[in-house]
Amino acid sequence: ETGVTQTPRHLVMGMTNKKSLKCEQHLGHNAMYWYKQSAKKPLELMFVYNFKEQTENNSVPSRFSPECPNSSHLFLHLHTLQPEDSALYLCASSPHRDRPGEQFFGPGTRLTVL
Amino acid sequence: QKEVEQDPGPLSVPEGAIVSLNCTYSNSAFQYFMWYRQYSRKGPELLMYTYSSGNKEDGRFTAQVDKSSKYISLFIRDSQPSDSATYLCAMKIGGGSNYKLTFGKGTLLTVNP
Repeated sequence: ETGVTQTPRHLVMGMTNKKSLKCEQHLGHNAMYWYKQSAKKPLELMFVYNFKEQTENNSVPSRFSPECPNSSHLFLHLHTLQPEDSALYLCASSPHRDRPGEQFFGPGTRLTVL
Repeated sequence: QKEVEQDPGPLSVPEGAIVSLNCTYSNSAFQYFMWYRQYSRKGPELLMYTYSSGNKEDGRFTAQVDKSSKYISLFIRDSQPSDSATYLCAMKIGGGSNYKLTFGKGTLLTVNP
């Protein structure tokens, strides 16, 4: 397995469910990112981790909870989401947080909140 | 005024055409400019990364930056059906650990055989 992988690729959940998105990178990178991509909106950076430490939280609601156990894995825990949270959630990695222009993106998880 | 403006399209061209994709920006502090290509059901992939004003060429792709006009372009020569994708511009202010990265909304391009 190479590059950045994300599971699941598609997820449908109710507003009261709890689910988690998983990202894994096989590139030896030290920085990992979560983005939200909604239709007709720019890509929105949610969280940044550098060497497992969270360095950025762009005012993301607490119903989204990230976890980075090591430099290769990143999770996004979801609970009590709203329908407007339906979007494509993209994970990315780069050699270092200082080098965002070298990000490699995963294929994304298409999330639908009913 | 939004920091980065990008016409979402859709843009449809015949195979072999020259494609011009554009973004404008309002913040003159942007220093680094990127173009990403995103195929359907995939994540974005970096195509071009430029710093200064002028042109940068890579195969059939040319990235152009005009800082005085706050305008960037991506040209695709001899466009192919495989170029059909959404193209995102992105811009960065600052360096090191203190930077801000802003994306455009993306332009959907279809190249018809």
